[in-house]
Amino acid sequence: GAVVSQHPSRVICKSGTSVKIECRSLDFQATTMFWYRQFPKQSLMLMATSNEGSKATYEQGVEKDKFLINHASLTLSTLTVTSAHPEDSSFYICSASPAGGAQDTQYFGPGTRLTVL
Amino acid sequence: QQQVKQSPQSLIVQKGGISIINCAYENTAFDYFPWYQQFPGKGPALLIAIRPDVSEKKEGRFTISFNKSAKQFSLHIMDSQPGDSATYFCAASLIKAAGNKLTFGGGTRVLVKP
Repeated sequence: GAVVSQHPSRVICKSGTSVKIECRSLDFQATTMFWYRQFPKQSLMLMATSNEGSKATYEQGVEKDKFLINHASLTLSTLTVTSAHPEDSSFYICSASPAGGAQDTQYFGPGTRLTVL
Repeated sequence: QQQVKQSPQSLIVQKGGISIINCAYENTAFDYFPWYQQFPGKGPALLIAIRPDVSEKKEGRFTISFNKSAKQFSLHIMDSQPGDSATYFCAASLIKAAGNKLTFGGGTRVLVKP
């Protein structure tokens, strides 16, 4: 089956530092990847849509300069949380849609728990 | 604006019982309706999905019922097991218009008691 990995699974950082989260599709190529944020006991909120080789599309209310997204290849997208603050502490999840496959299929990564002290 | 409303927020069912979760949507252009299962600390996993041209879809113990005129769809988990205890999310998307950008419901925490 299609597998999406995320690294790191957990990260703790100090306020004001930047953190990079990687999302990889391990056995398929993904033209589109999505980044979500999930606060405890809440639903997933889409942050941005990442397309390989082009700029990411951010949802309303998401600061593009704070959450930098790079989709450099068909198997890798990265999310960098710049100048992180405690309110950025959350569970970040990526998903990927296979290139050339059924457009409706979206595979999710295991998530990254970010804690900002 | 919450485009997909999910109920109930939580559900307790006895082992062997039926878990029923309901979702209602507003945007009639949605053309794909998946259900996801999420365990604590893990990413969501696709359970089952349906397109609006089908009224029901069954995969194992999981069944989606879809009512296009009412703009509602539901998940039925038959013969519920303790291992089904998880949070379930419905979602909807516009595949053709928006490249499968998912809008999630609020989630339902299901507890199956042995």
